[in-house]
Amino acid sequence: DAGVIQSPRHEVTEMGQEVTLRCKPISGHNSLFWYRQTMMRGLELLIYFNNNVPIDDSGMPEDRFSAKMPNASFSTLKIQPSEPRDSAVYFCASTPGSGGLNNQPQHFGDGTRLSIL
Amino acid sequence: GENVEQHPSTLSVQEGDSAVIKCTYSDSASNYFPWYKQELGKGPQLIIDIRSNVGEKKDQRIAVTLNKTAKHFSLHITETQPEDSAVYFCAASFNYGQNFVFGPGTRLSVLP
Repeated sequence: DAGVIQSPRHEVTEMGQEVTLRCKPISGHNSLFWYRQTMMRGLELLIYFNNNVPIDDSGMPEDRFSAKMPNASFSTLKIQPSEPRDSAVYFCASTPGSGGLNNQPQHFGDGTRLSIL
Repeated sequence: GENVEQHPSTLSVQEGDSAVIKCTYSDSASNYFPWYKQELGKGPQLIIDIRSNVGEKKDQRIAVTLNKTAKHFSLHITETQPEDSAVYFCAASFNYGQNFVFGPGTRLSVLP
């Protein structure tokens, strides 16, 4: 089975540019999560979706960040305009559950390493 | 808010020895506790998990114990091998299982 697929694997861009990160969850999974990982703050949840609907975006740091899930097989995380402090590894994860009393492990992609110069 | 603490932050052991990583959590309603292993350049991968109705679970060289009263759980790796070297994260469910809080991670080095 294909796991969670993220693209690009690496992105280097200048500050002020728009950045779009992409994620394809595991087929049949109903929940999708976006995380940011840095040395200082560890793994931080940015936003998650259940059945393509955003449920909790309280982790999105600023209005410069936005995420969409137009269908069950695709999600994007966009940063506009990007800043050097956005440099991090961004992970997408999915689970078969739809929340509620349904504890399921999250399956992670291999991440996008983002560098904003 | 919900919080998960993890200790130690770094751990070095000799090959063949055991390694133990401990986590504590704050939300008494948490009832699911996964452990993840992250290798360089990869995403975290689930290695074992435990639910609150069980006190211990074992899978070959890996075991996890849970003490719900004290709100702590531990990962035990026996007969460590160099390929066990990685960063390990614990996590605890919250919001009735809709999401997790992750610990800050433990960098394990197994010395040959």
